[in-house]
Amino acid sequence: DADVTQTPRNRITKTGKRIMLECSQTKGHDRMYWYRQDPGLGLRLIYYSFDVKDINKGEISDGYSVSRQAQAKFSLSLESAIPNQTALYFCATSETGTGTNEQFFGPGTRLTVL
Amino acid sequence: AQSVTQLGSHVSVSEGALVLLRCNYSSSVPPYLFWYVQYPNQGLQLLLKYTTGATLVKGINGFEAEFKKSETSFHLTKPSAHMSDAAEYFCAVSDGYSTLTFGKGTMLLVSP
Repeated sequence: DADVTQTPRNRITKTGKRIMLECSQTKGHDRMYWYRQDPGLGLRLIYYSFDVKDINKGEISDGYSVSRQAQAKFSLSLESAIPNQTALYFCATSETGTGTNEQFFGPGTRLTVL
Repeated sequence: AQSVTQLGSHVSVSEGALVLLRCNYSSSVPPYLFWYVQYPNQGLQLLLKYTTGATLVKGINGFEAEFKKSETSFHLTKPSAHMSDAAEYFCAVSDGYSTLTFGKGTMLLVSP
C-alpha cells in the first residue's frame, strides 16, 4: 500500500545534540509537511514543501531546519536539541490539484530531549 | 487567516450513548473541513471531510458531521459509542490551497 513512513519511531537524545528525523512516502504526492504535537496544543506546522525546490516556514520553525532530498523524502533537523523540543513529530503529504489539501499522516516520531 | 476551536479537551460518554464533539471554525474563504482521529500510539487517520455539496457528511466507523455555514460549525456525531471509539479527535480547516489548521483536539473517553 502507498504509505508515509517515519524513522526513527522513538528517539532519546541529550541537550545540544544534532538530530535528524526522516520521512519517506510512496504516495507520489508532491507536497510534504512536518508538524509537532504537544498535549493540549494540537498539531502545529513547522515547515512545508510544495515541491523539491520549494521550502516554507510554518508557525513554529525556530530551532528547526528541513531538507527535501527528493519528491519522496523530507527530513527535519534539530541543529542543537533543547528539552522543550520534546514532542511527537508527524510528517504528512498531500497532492496538488485535489482542491482540498487533504493530508495523509505518518505514524509519528516520539522525540525526548534530556 | 483561519482558525479552529474545539470545545472541550475531554468528553466522556458511556458505551451506547450519543457522541457529540464540537468544532467551530473561522475562515475568510469557503472552507474545506476535516475530522481526523488519533488512536493511541498511532498517526492521524481521516474520519471524514466536507468539500462542497451535501452538508451532512458520513465517515468511517459510523461517524458523521454536519457543515452549518450560518453557525460556522462542523460538529462530529455518532449515535452509539463503542469502546473502540476512545481516541483523540482533531478538527481541521483548509482554504484548499496552502495548509491545514488544526484545533487543539478532544479526547473521547468511553466507559462501559
